[in-house]
Amino acid sequence: QLQLQESGPGLVKPSETLSLTCTVSGGSISSSSYYWGWIRQPPGKGLEWIGSIYYSGSTYYNPSLKSRVTISVDTSKNQFSLKLSSVTAADTAVYYCAREVGAIDYWGQGTLVTVSS
Amino acid sequence: QPVLTQSSSASASLGSSVKLTCTLSSGHSSYIIAWHQQQPGKAPRYLMKLEGSGSYNKGSGVPDRFSGSSSGADRYLTISNLQSEDEADYYCETWDSNTHKVFGGGTKLTVL
Repeated sequence: QLQLQESGPGLVKPSETLSLTCTVSGGSISSSSYYWGWIRQPPGKGLEWIGSIYYSGSTYYNPSLKSRVTISVDTSKNQFSLKLSSVTAADTAVYYCAREVGAIDYWGQGTLVTVSS
Repeated sequence: QPVLTQSSSASASLGSSVKLTCTLSSGHSSYIIAWHQQQPGKAPRYLMKLEGSGSYNKGSGVPDRFSGSSSGADRYLTISNLQSEDEADYYCETWDSNTHKVFGGGTKLTVL
């Protein structure tokens, strides 16, 4: 059974960089069939796609976040990561990692990141 | 890029059926979508992928009570024999050749 687990700091200061890692177990991140993505959900609001990565390193980002987002992959560790720079309170959200086969078919449990001094 | 429109809320009685709608924007009526369920305090869960033809493929463990259908730009999720655990937010999702992904605003379903 595929599992995805987000990890990283739960509190980030304004103007700093948010960094999260997603560890994939029960399957290989190097499979040619899938993309791997990050999605976030501010408290009480809907889902927002942040971006996706292929095992080869090809990335696609939400245009509204593109200038601040970097997604990378480490196939040796079966992990992929998110960096979001220059964060503000508006970036406070639950961050989910996910597997994509066109649609998202597996979600991580999510991790709350709060931006506050 | 496509836009997905969902009603903000819906309600139905325990044991009855409900049909939720996700509408694709103009020029995108052929797009495949996916439905996801998010129970309170939990991560979203993949329910199914739904084509414009009405053909759908459900995720592992999704009860038979959940089904999908399509008409033009509208994509539907029907839940039969509503249970209390079906009270949740339901999101539709679509994508553009893996280069761009969008979600609908979500429908909050209340089971009366």
